[in-house]
Amino acid sequence: DAGVTQTPRHEVAEKGQTIILKCEPVSGHNDLFWYRQTKIQGLELLSYFRSKSLMEDGGAFKDRFKAEMLNSSFSTLKIQPTEPKDSAVYLCASRLTGGNTLYFGAGTRLSVL
Amino acid sequence: GDSVTQKEGLVTLTEGLPVMLNCTYQTIYSNAFLFWYVHYLNESPRLLLKSSTDNKRTEHQGFHATLHKSSSSFHLQKSSAQLSDSALYYCALSEGNSNNRIFFGDGTQLVVKP
Repeated sequence: DAGVTQTPRHEVAEKGQTIILKCEPVSGHNDLFWYRQTKIQGLELLSYFRSKSLMEDGGAFKDRFKAEMLNSSFSTLKIQPTEPKDSAVYLCASRLTGGNTLYFGAGTRLSVL
Repeated sequence: GDSVTQKEGLVTLTEGLPVMLNCTYQTIYSNAFLFWYVHYLNESPRLLLKSSTDNKRTEHQGFHATLHKSSSSFHLQKSSAQLSDSALYYCALSEGNSNNRIFFGDGTQLVVKP
């Protein structure tokens, strides 16, 4: 069974660029989460979707971060414009609606120069 | 609101010694689930343990934890640390209601030395 797939694994961007990260959840999972992971802040929630509806977003990230569920099996996270402080690992996770275990992707490591 | 607290950001210990990583939480939901996720370097974070049952010990891969609702705690323990246990450990809570939001602690980096 395919797990959560995130692409690309690594991304290098110049300050001010637009980048798009991609995520495919586990087949049949309708809950999808985007997190930013840093050593200082730990895991910060960016967005939580259920069946393409936004359930919760991380208030501090509304400005330049936009996550979308294009269909039940594909999500994107756009950062526009990027800043050096956005350098982090971005993790996508999915879960069965009504379930409780999160399944994580391998993450995208973003470096903004 | 709901929250999870992991007081230790870094725990360093010698192989063979016992491990205890602390986790306390706040929630108003009686059906809340508590979790430990482990993130090894260059791998995806994955579930280690979970529980929603008060005072019941849950075990996996040599680790164990008991949910104590009276003290709002879900500490992770292991009797003897191994070098391979070095990783980042997250305690998390899910509300267990229809929205089922998830809250993570800040994580504890466990470093096991020879």
